[in-house]
Amino acid sequence: AQKITQTQPGMFVQEKEAVTLDCTYDTSDPSYGLFWYKQPSSGEMIFLIYQGSYDQQNATEGRYSLNFQKARKSANLVISASQLGDSAMYFCAMRETAAGNKLTFGGGTRVLVKP
Amino acid sequence: NAGVTQTPKFRVLKTGQSMTLLCAQDMNHEYMYWYRQDPGMGLRLIHYSVGEGTTAKGEVPDGYNVSRLKKQNFLLGLESAAPSQTSVYFCASSYSQMAAGPTDTQYFGPGTRLTVL
Repeated sequence: AQKITQTQPGMFVQEKEAVTLDCTYDTSDPSYGLFWYKQPSSGEMIFLIYQGSYDQQNATEGRYSLNFQKARKSANLVISASQLGDSAMYFCAMRETAAGNKLTFGGGTRVLVKP
Repeated sequence: NAGVTQTPKFRVLKTGQSMTLLCAQDMNHEYMYWYRQDPGMGLRLIHYSVGEGTTAKGEVPDGYNVSRLKKQNFLLGLESAAPSQTSVYFCASSYSQMAAGPTDTQYFGPGTRLTVL
Protein backbone atom coordinates (compact mmCIF):
# COMPACT_ATOMS: atom_id res chain seq x y z
CA ALA A 1 0.00 0.00 0.00
CA GLN A 2 1.15 3.52 -0.73
CA LYS A 3 2.34 5.30 2.37
CA ILE A 4 1.69 8.76 0.96
CA THR A 5 -0.95 9.44 -1.68
CA GLN A 6 -1.51 12.66 -3.55
CA THR A 7 -4.50 12.12 -5.82
CA GLN A 8 -4.33 15.39 -7.76
CA PRO A 9 -1.62 15.22 -10.42
CA GLY A 10 -2.26 18.81 -11.47
CA MET A 11 -4.54 21.75 -10.88
CA PHE A 12 -5.15 25.32 -11.92
CA VAL A 13 -5.94 28.10 -9.49
CA GLN A 14 -6.82 31.71 -10.11
CA GLU A 15 -4.44 34.29 -8.69
CA LYS A 16 -5.53 35.54 -5.25
CA GLU A 17 -7.76 32.53 -4.65
CA ALA A 18 -7.11 29.74 -2.16
CA VAL A 19 -6.19 26.20 -3.20
CA THR A 20 -6.22 22.93 -1.27
CA LEU A 21 -3.79 20.14 -2.09
CA ASP A 22 -4.79 16.71 -0.88
CA CYS A 23 -2.53 14.27 0.94
CA THR A 24 -3.46 11.03 2.64
CA TYR A 25 -1.06 8.78 4.48
CA ASP A 26 -0.87 5.30 5.89
CA THR A 27 1.04 4.38 9.02
CA SER A 28 0.66 2.33 12.17
CA ASP A 29 3.34 4.33 13.97
CA PRO A 30 1.70 6.58 16.58
CA SER A 31 4.57 9.06 16.30
CA TYR A 32 5.10 10.61 12.90
CA GLY A 33 5.58 13.92 11.16
CA LEU A 34 4.10 15.28 7.98
CA PHE A 35 5.89 17.73 5.73
CA TRP A 36 5.07 19.72 2.65
CA TYR A 37 7.75 20.76 0.19
CA LYS A 38 7.57 23.03 -2.84
CA GLN A 39 9.61 22.32 -5.96
CA PRO A 40 9.61 25.20 -8.45
CA SER A 41 10.75 24.75 -12.02
CA SER A 42 14.30 25.54 -10.96
CA GLY A 43 14.31 22.16 -9.18
CA GLU A 44 15.20 22.86 -5.58
CA MET A 45 13.14 21.40 -2.74
CA ILE A 46 11.82 24.09 -0.40
CA PHE A 47 10.41 23.16 3.00
CA LEU A 48 7.01 24.78 3.61
CA ILE A 49 5.31 23.41 6.70
CA TYR A 50 5.41 20.65 9.29
CA GLN A 51 2.74 18.88 11.36
CA GLY A 52 3.53 16.45 14.15
CA SER A 53 1.17 13.60 14.94
CA TYR A 54 0.76 14.78 18.52
CA ASP A 55 0.26 18.44 17.68
CA GLN A 56 -3.09 19.64 18.92
CA GLN A 57 -3.41 22.51 16.49
CA ASN A 58 -3.11 22.67 12.75
CA ALA A 59 0.18 24.10 11.58
CA THR A 60 0.32 27.48 9.87
CA GLU A 61 3.19 29.30 8.18
CA GLY A 62 2.25 32.57 6.55
CA ARG A 63 -0.06 31.78 3.62
CA TYR A 64 0.35 28.05 4.16
CA SER A 65 -1.79 26.05 6.52
CA LEU A 66 -2.15 22.36 7.05
CA ASN A 67 -5.60 20.83 7.52
CA PHE A 68 -4.67 17.85 9.68
CA GLN A 69 -7.40 15.25 10.15
CA LYS A 70 -5.76 12.49 12.11
CA ALA A 71 -8.68 10.05 12.13
CA ARG A 72 -8.94 10.30 8.35
CA LYS A 73 -5.15 10.20 7.96
CA SER A 74 -5.14 13.27 5.82
CA ALA A 75 -2.86 16.30 5.84
CA ASN A 76 -4.06 18.70 3.20
CA LEU A 77 -2.10 21.85 2.38
CA VAL A 78 -4.04 25.06 1.96
CA ILE A 79 -2.41 27.97 0.15
CA SER A 80 -4.33 31.18 0.64
CA ALA A 81 -4.25 34.20 -1.69
CA SER A 82 -2.35 32.37 -4.45
CA GLN A 83 0.44 34.20 -6.20
CA LEU A 84 2.03 33.56 -9.57
CA GLY A 85 5.18 32.46 -7.76
CA ASP A 86 3.22 29.61 -6.17
CA SER A 87 3.25 27.77 -9.50
CA ALA A 88 5.29 24.65 -8.73
CA MET A 89 5.18 20.99 -7.81
CA TYR A 90 4.13 20.30 -4.24
CA PHE A 91 5.13 17.18 -2.38
CA CYS A 92 3.70 15.73 0.79
CA ALA A 93 6.07 13.59 2.85
CA MET A 94 5.89 11.56 6.04
CA ARG A 95 8.49 10.67 8.62
CA GLU A 96 7.75 7.73 10.88
CA THR A 97 9.68 7.76 14.12
CA ALA A 98 9.99 3.98 14.12
CA ALA A 99 11.71 4.23 10.74
CA GLY A 100 14.26 6.77 11.85
CA ASN A 101 14.17 10.14 10.19
CA LYS A 102 13.59 8.86 6.69
CA LEU A 103 11.06 10.69 4.57
CA THR A 104 8.58 8.96 2.30
CA PHE A 105 7.26 11.19 -0.47
CA GLY A 106 4.02 11.28 -2.38
CA GLY A 107 3.92 11.60 -6.15
CA GLY A 108 3.33 15.35 -6.07
CA THR A 109 0.74 17.81 -7.34
CA ARG A 110 1.53 20.40 -9.96
CA VAL A 111 -0.09 23.77 -9.33
CA LEU A 112 -0.38 26.42 -12.00
CA VAL A 113 -1.57 29.86 -10.90
CA LYS A 114 -3.43 31.80 -13.58
CA PRO A 115 -3.26 35.61 -13.66
CA ASN B 1 26.36 29.67 5.40
CA ALA B 2 25.84 27.71 2.19
CA GLY B 3 23.45 25.07 3.62
CA VAL B 4 23.59 21.92 1.50
CA THR B 5 25.69 21.95 -1.64
CA GLN B 6 26.07 19.31 -4.33
CA THR B 7 28.81 18.72 -6.88
CA PRO B 8 28.48 18.47 -9.86
CA LYS B 9 25.23 20.07 -11.00
CA PHE B 10 25.08 18.14 -14.26
CA ARG B 11 26.80 15.03 -15.58
CA VAL B 12 26.53 12.78 -18.60
CA LEU B 13 27.94 9.26 -18.36
CA LYS B 14 28.21 6.33 -20.70
CA THR B 15 26.90 2.95 -19.60
CA GLY B 16 29.47 1.24 -17.42
CA GLN B 17 31.31 4.36 -16.33
CA SER B 18 31.68 5.25 -12.69
CA MET B 19 31.32 8.50 -10.84
CA THR B 20 30.98 10.03 -7.40
CA LEU B 21 28.54 12.72 -6.35
CA LEU B 22 29.60 14.91 -3.47
CA CYS B 23 27.26 16.41 -0.90
CA ALA B 24 28.45 18.89 1.71
CA GLN B 25 26.56 20.61 4.54
CA ASP B 26 27.72 23.32 6.90
CA MET B 27 24.89 23.10 9.43
CA ASN B 28 26.55 20.51 11.67
CA HIS B 29 23.73 18.07 10.91
CA GLU B 30 24.06 14.48 12.07
CA TYR B 31 21.81 12.91 9.44
CA MET B 32 22.40 12.96 5.71
CA TYR B 33 20.44 11.39 2.86
CA TRP B 34 20.61 10.67 -0.84
CA TYR B 35 17.41 10.61 -2.91
CA ARG B 36 16.64 10.17 -6.56
CA GLN B 37 13.77 11.80 -8.40
CA ASP B 38 12.56 10.35 -11.66
CA PRO B 39 10.40 12.40 -14.04
CA GLY B 40 6.94 13.15 -12.67
CA MET B 41 7.60 11.34 -9.42
CA GLY B 42 8.41 12.06 -5.83
CA LEU B 43 11.78 11.45 -4.21
CA ARG B 44 12.91 7.97 -3.25
CA LEU B 45 15.55 7.33 -0.62
CA ILE B 46 18.72 5.60 -1.85
CA HIS B 47 20.98 5.57 1.22
CA TYR B 48 21.28 7.56 4.39
CA SER B 49 23.67 8.14 7.26
CA VAL B 50 22.94 8.77 10.92
CA GLY B 51 26.42 10.02 11.71
CA GLU B 52 30.05 10.07 10.68
CA GLY B 53 31.25 6.62 9.68
CA THR B 54 27.74 5.13 9.37
CA THR B 55 25.60 4.34 6.35
CA ALA B 56 22.35 2.46 5.80
CA LYS B 57 20.20 1.38 2.88
CA GLY B 58 17.07 3.18 1.88
CA GLU B 59 14.28 2.23 -0.47
CA VAL B 60 16.28 1.90 -3.72
CA PRO B 61 19.94 1.16 -2.82
CA ASP B 62 20.92 -1.23 -5.61
CA GLY B 63 23.68 0.02 -7.90
CA TYR B 64 24.84 2.69 -5.46
CA ASN B 65 27.38 2.92 -2.68
CA VAL B 66 27.91 5.67 -0.14
CA SER B 67 30.49 6.84 2.36
CA ARG B 68 30.46 9.29 5.27
CA LEU B 69 34.08 9.73 6.27
CA LYS B 70 33.51 13.27 7.54
CA LYS B 71 30.43 14.59 9.28
CA GLN B 72 29.92 17.35 6.74
CA ASN B 73 30.29 15.21 3.61
CA PHE B 74 28.23 12.37 2.15
CA LEU B 75 29.40 10.73 -1.06
CA LEU B 76 27.24 8.76 -3.49
CA GLY B 77 29.02 6.44 -5.89
CA LEU B 78 27.90 4.68 -9.03
CA GLU B 79 30.39 1.91 -9.84
CA SER B 80 28.93 0.91 -13.21
CA ALA B 81 26.31 3.35 -14.43
CA ALA B 82 23.19 2.11 -16.19
CA PRO B 83 20.56 4.05 -18.19
CA SER B 84 18.04 3.24 -15.43
CA GLN B 85 20.10 5.49 -13.15
CA THR B 86 19.31 8.55 -15.25
CA SER B 87 17.65 10.79 -12.71
CA VAL B 88 17.98 13.90 -10.59
CA TYR B 89 19.83 13.20 -7.37
CA PHE B 90 19.14 15.18 -4.22
CA CYS B 91 21.15 15.25 -1.05
CA ALA B 92 19.55 16.34 2.22
CA SER B 93 20.56 16.74 5.83
CA SER B 94 18.79 17.06 9.15
CA TYR B 95 19.75 17.67 12.74
CA SER B 96 18.68 14.37 14.25
CA GLN B 97 15.76 12.09 14.82
CA MET B 98 15.58 12.74 18.51
CA ALA B 99 13.69 15.99 18.35
CA ALA B 100 10.08 15.28 17.45
CA GLY B 101 9.38 18.45 15.64
CA PRO B 102 10.22 20.78 12.81
CA THR B 103 13.87 20.81 13.87
CA ASP B 104 13.95 17.41 12.20
CA THR B 105 13.24 19.08 8.91
CA GLN B 106 15.39 17.86 6.08
CA TYR B 107 17.10 20.56 4.07
CA PHE B 108 17.87 19.77 0.48
CA GLY B 109 20.68 20.58 -1.89
CA PRO B 110 20.00 21.95 -5.38
CA GLY B 111 20.22 18.55 -7.06
CA THR B 112 22.47 16.85 -9.63
CA ARG B 113 21.02 15.97 -13.01
CA LEU B 114 22.61 12.74 -14.22
CA THR B 115 22.12 11.25 -17.66
CA VAL B 116 23.44 7.80 -18.50
CA LEU B 117 23.64 7.03 -22.20
